[in-house]
Amino acid sequence: DVKVTQSSRYLVKRTGEKVFLECVQDMDHENMFWYRQDPGLGLRLIYFSYDVKMKEKGDIPEGYSVSREKKERFSLILESASTNQTSMYLCASSGQVVAGWDEQYFGPGTRLTVT
Amino acid sequence: GENVEQHPSTLSVQEGDSAVIKCTYSDSASNYFPWYKQELGKRPQLIIDIRSNVGEKKDQRIAVTLNKTAKHFSLHITETQPEDSAVYFCAAKRRGFKTIFGAGTRLFVKA
Repeated sequence: DVKVTQSSRYLVKRTGEKVFLECVQDMDHENMFWYRQDPGLGLRLIYFSYDVKMKEKGDIPEGYSVSREKKERFSLILESASTNQTSMYLCASSGQVVAGWDEQYFGPGTRLTVT
Repeated sequence: GENVEQHPSTLSVQEGDSAVIKCTYSDSASNYFPWYKQELGKRPQLIIDIRSNVGEKKDQRIAVTLNKTAKHFSLHITETQPEDSAVYFCAAKRRGFKTIFGAGTRLFVKA
């Protein structure tokens, strides 16, 4: 059974703080993703990674950065948190992007509130 | 950029009725179309998917259809039950590229 875990379920931070969200998967998946989920906007891709130390921008990368030092861990960093980054953040992993059909396994989500 | 449009945004049905959610995609090279279900407070999970070489796929009470010419695909749920209440996301992707998700449909099944 694939397990994707996220470091926090709920997080409250102040404007301007640096925020780290961590994601760990235990299935040796090559591909990892960070999404942001907002009502009426669905799942929007922030960044993704196809390999260790590799990253690519998604649709809304502004204000975020990522780090993938180990295959199983993918971190999302908010360099200077702002109130418009208050959202639910979902991490996902998958193993077969190159094949074309890849089920994504999601973590439980982190609800971040920036005050 | 590439996008996936999903309709309706909200759907309310009576228990036992059918529910249909429709999506259109813009990237004609898309070849994989998954559907995810997200129950309240839980993570999205894959419930069914279809590949571009297939026109229809069924799994018990759920089915997906794909019309490549029109670039649209649909999710059909028959004999709906209260536990079908959730947010459903359609998605489209092509080989080697990221998955594009629709905005989601919130389905309410009234007992």
